[in-house]
Parts: sequence; structure tokens; C-alpha cells
Amino acid sequence: DAGVIQSPRHEVTEMGQEVTLRCKPISGHDYLFWYRQTMMRGLELLIYFNNNVPIDDSGMPEDRFSAKMPNASFSTLKIQPSEPRDSAVYFCASSWGGSYGYTFGSGTRLTVV
Amino acid sequence: AQSVTQLGSHVSVSEGALVLLRCNYSSSVSVYLFWYVQYPNQGLQLLLKYLSGSTLVKGINGFEAEFNKSQTSFHLRKPSVHISDTAEYFCAVSDRGDSNYQLIWGAGTKLIIKP
Repeated sequence: DAGVIQSPRHEVTEMGQEVTLRCKPISGHDYLFWYRQTMMRGLELLIYFNNNVPIDDSGMPEDRFSAKMPNASFSTLKIQPSEPRDSAVYFCASSWGGSYGYTFGSGTRLTVV
Repeated sequence: AQSVTQLGSHVSVSEGALVLLRCNYSSSVSVYLFWYVQYPNQGLQLLLKYLSGSTLVKGINGFEAEFNKSQTSFHLRKPSVHISDTAEYFCAVSDRGDSNYQLIWGAGTKLIIKP
């Protein structure tokens, strides 16, 4: 199994531009989580899906953030427009049954200048 | 609400020494417990987990953790650390009765192994 695959690994963009982060979960996993990690705030859960349906998006910081999961093998996190304070590492994780431990992707390091 | 406390944001030990990383959670309800490791510029990797059964849990890379319900703790230890264990370690807790299945994370402990 290739694990959770995220793309791109690194993204540098200018303030105001749209950014799309991508995630392919492990086949058969029914939960998908998007996290953000910064030095100041640590790990923050942004949103999670169960069977492709968003369950809790209370962690999404602003309306500029949106996430979709059109099918069981693909999810996107979009930031539009991006701002410098969005600079962070964004992780996607998936699991079978949400409570039993997650598998994380390698993350996307986003820098907004 | 559940919370997780990891004592010590940084721990430094010599190679070959015993290391103990502490994790306490706030609520004594039935829980699932996890330790994750994050190597530099990588994602988080599951080290070990407690779901039920024996309170002593063995994980990868020689790590183990003991669940203590009365002390609401899940401390991680390794008898003899190696330079390659330098990483950040996160403790996480999930309430069994929480249908939201969210993990509550500790702030992490950076482990530095001195040669």
C-alpha cells in the first residue's frame, strides 16, 4: 500500500492567489481528516469526512477555506484567496473507523508570500 | 472536554539512555490512547496504540507505553535510545463514546538524543 498521498509537497504562492491541496487516502479507509500544523498553534483539525460526507468543519478558520471529497479516493483543500498567515504544513490523514488511529500523509508545506 | 498534557516540550538524553515521555489526559471516561512520532519534515507515524486489553503496549522501534487508568496517564518509554530516535512525539486521546471520533492531541515533546 502506498499510504496516504498528498500533493504537492511544497507550494509557494503569492498572497491573493488560489491554492489547492490534494489528498489520496488509503483504499478502504472510510474517514479522512485535514490538519494544519504551525509552530504557534501546533496541530489543528480543520475538517473531516466519513464516507465522503463532511462531518465537522468547525476547525476551518474562515470562509476562504473549503474542502471537498468527490469520491472515496480523492479530497481537496482549497484556500481562496490565500494570505501569508495561511503559511503552514497541511496534513491529510485517513483511517478505518475514526477511533483506531490515523495514517498521515507526508504533508504539503505552504508558503504564502 | 478532554485535554492532553505532555510534560516537557523538549527532552534531551544521551544515546543509550532510558527515556520516559509523559502524557496525561484529563477525563477518566473510557478512552483510546495513541503515541505518534514525527521525524523532521515528515508526517506523523503511529508508534503504538491502546484500545483495550493489556495495559502495557509495545510499539515500533522498541518503544512501549503503559496505560494507567487511575492516574489517567499513558507514558512512553524506551530502555535505550538511538540517535535515530530524535523526533517529536505526540500523545493523542479519543473518547470511546465520542461519535465524532476526534483525536485530542498533546502539544508534542521534542526528543533530542546526544551522541
